[in-house]
Amino acid sequence: DVKVTQSSRYLVKRTGEKVFLECVQDMDHENMFWYRQDPGLGLRLIYFSYDVKMKEKGDIPEGYSVSREKKERFSLILESASTNQTSMYLCASSSNRGRTGELFFGEGSRLTVL
Amino acid sequence: AQSVTQLGSHVSVSEGALVLLRCNYSSSVPPYLFWYVQYPNQGLQLLLKYTSAATLVKGINGFEAEFKKSETSFHLTKPSAHMSDAAEYFCAVRALYGGSQGNLIFGKGTKLSVKP
Repeated sequence: DVKVTQSSRYLVKRTGEKVFLECVQDMDHENMFWYRQDPGLGLRLIYFSYDVKMKEKGDIPEGYSVSREKKERFSLILESASTNQTSMYLCASSSNRGRTGELFFGEGSRLTVL
Repeated sequence: AQSVTQLGSHVSVSEGALVLLRCNYSSSVPPYLFWYVQYPNQGLQLLLKYTSAATLVKGINGFEAEFKKSETSFHLTKPSAHMSDAAEYFCAVRALYGGSQGNLIFGKGTKLSVKP
């Protein structure tokens, strides 16, 4: 089974802190994604990457950056956390080998910014 | 542009009753469509997917969905609800255009409650 692991399930940070959310997948997938999930808004794409060292902005990239130094790892960075970044963050991966583009998700990281 | 609309942010059914969760999509070409389920404080898990083979797709946990091109719909059904079905359900379409090709575009989700 594909496993997508997010390093922290729950985090509490202070306004202005730098926050790292780590995601690792073990199935050699080319594509990795970071979503943000808020009640009533569904999932919104922050950033995605289709190759090592490549990154593309999604729908809501402001206030976030990403890093993909290795194929299996995709990190989301909040340079200076703000209270409006309190949310559930979901990492996902997919393979180019299958034609459907099915996403495999991690368990999520619930971030609270005080 | 592609989009997904889920009708009803909350649906409540009695245990044993039919579950019907509605999803309409917008796509100018035959789409790849997905239903995902999310249990509280967990990630999303794939229920089923439509890939232009059979129009009636069977998934896990007794769920199925029917692709209807004429109605641009992909509604999710289960004949008899179980308490364990209480969760949030997301419909999604694969993005085929633009900079985020390969991404999935999600609906806003429908929370299913099951009453004893």
